[in-house]
Amino acid sequence: AQTVTQSQPEMSVQEAETVTLSCTYDTSESNYYLFWYKQPPSRQMILVIRQEAYKQQNATENRFSVNFQKAAKSFSLKISDSQLGDTAMYFCAFMKPGTYKYIFGTGTRLKVLA
Amino acid sequence: GAVVSQHPSWVICKSGTSVKIECRSLDFQATTMFWYRQFPKQSLMLMATSNEGSKATYEQGVEKDKFLINHASLTLSTLTVTSAHPEDSSFYICSAPRGAQDEKLFFGSGTQLSVL
Repeated sequence: AQTVTQSQPEMSVQEAETVTLSCTYDTSESNYYLFWYKQPPSRQMILVIRQEAYKQQNATENRFSVNFQKAAKSFSLKISDSQLGDTAMYFCAFMKPGTYKYIFGTGTRLKVLA
Repeated sequence: GAVVSQHPSWVICKSGTSVKIECRSLDFQATTMFWYRQFPKQSLMLMATSNEGSKATYEQGVEKDKFLINHASLTLSTLTVTSAHPEDSSFYICSAPRGAQDEKLFFGSGTQLSVL
């Protein structure tokens, strides 16, 4: 069975600084998808970034980028130039292709400080 | 982008009553929808997979008689919490994939259920 671990329950960062959120996972699959979702106080789940395991290139979306280390089964999220609006709960998720069944980590609560 | 609408946003009910939560895909057809439950300060846990025109499949430990799921059309799935009890109080979120070429899920805005 797959598992997703987020070892940082809470983090804080100063506005405009950079922060990295950690995520590790365990699977015997060779192909899969990894996601980072953001859940702000509104509780709406918002997709931040997606990585396909067969792609070696790390995904980037504006200020958000990932460091995907397949051999180490690590998938960290880097947020550059942090903004107050980045304050939220961040969930890492794993999915086998075609199943749409996400396995979520326990989340990291990020607070951006003014 | 694809939109999933969920209603109500919050509901308070008395113990023993039933509550229905609706999940609609507004601009795409969803043959499959997923229902998650999130307890305070915890992660999202998949409860069940809703399949249009057929029975839902439930994850281990989820009581199918308590959490009734109906997916009668390609745009609507409902979750009914029957004979609700305080321990059923939680945040319920639905989600749906837009299509085979799109591996990400689109989430509803969630329903906070409080059972008194």
